[in-house]
Amino acid sequence: GESVGLHLPTLSVQEGDNSIINCAYSNSASDYFIWYKQESGKGPQFIIDIRSNMDKRQGQRVTVLLNKTVKHLSLQIAATQPGDSAVYFCAETPNQGGKLIFGQGTELSVKP
Amino acid sequence: GAVVSQHPSRVICKSGTSVKIECRSLDFQATTMFWYRQFPKQSLMLMATSNEGSKATYEQGVEKDKFLINHASLTLSTLTVTSAHPEDSSFYICSARLGLERAFFGQGTRLTVV
Repeated sequence: GESVGLHLPTLSVQEGDNSIINCAYSNSASDYFIWYKQESGKGPQFIIDIRSNMDKRQGQRVTVLLNKTVKHLSLQIAATQPGDSAVYFCAETPNQGGKLIFGQGTELSVKP
Repeated sequence: GAVVSQHPSRVICKSGTSVKIECRSLDFQATTMFWYRQFPKQSLMLMATSNEGSKATYEQGVEKDKFLINHASLTLSTLTVTSAHPEDSSFYICSARLGLERAFFGQGTRLTVV
């Protein structure tokens, strides 16, 4: 299999603060990226996506930044809420329509 | 968003038996579905890509005779864990791709082999 992470890194933030979750992807040929949120015991939930011809995309309270030069992706969550507590994964597609490969993941903990 | 339903959500089986997990795309047709495995506190590991009407493509290190995949229709893919052993205990997740980009995930199946 591919992209298996070991021991998820954690990020702890105070409610109301902004969160930044980072991801380093592996394939310079990847042209599509997605951020997913996974709550305990559930499947991943789509948050936001971005294509390789963009470097920024905004959604509701979330922004994704893509830096292809250093193969880096980030997810910014504004005014973080307790309901945002979950594990966040970035995923990349090396070719359009192809398989989705997941990054290591980051566990976000929001303190009230 | 599109809905992917996975069943069962939780299953306990005896060692040596086989378990079938179903993945259905409820409101769209999926020519391609993916099966992942996830261990606690780890990322999702792609096991195989399931293509409707053809053989599945397995990732390196995944035994195709151990994990049988069938994708008989555009809305259903099944994963059968054959002769299950305790080390097969894991969280299995399917996803279905809508078009060429966005993939939607099922709720996952917690398999415990005793």
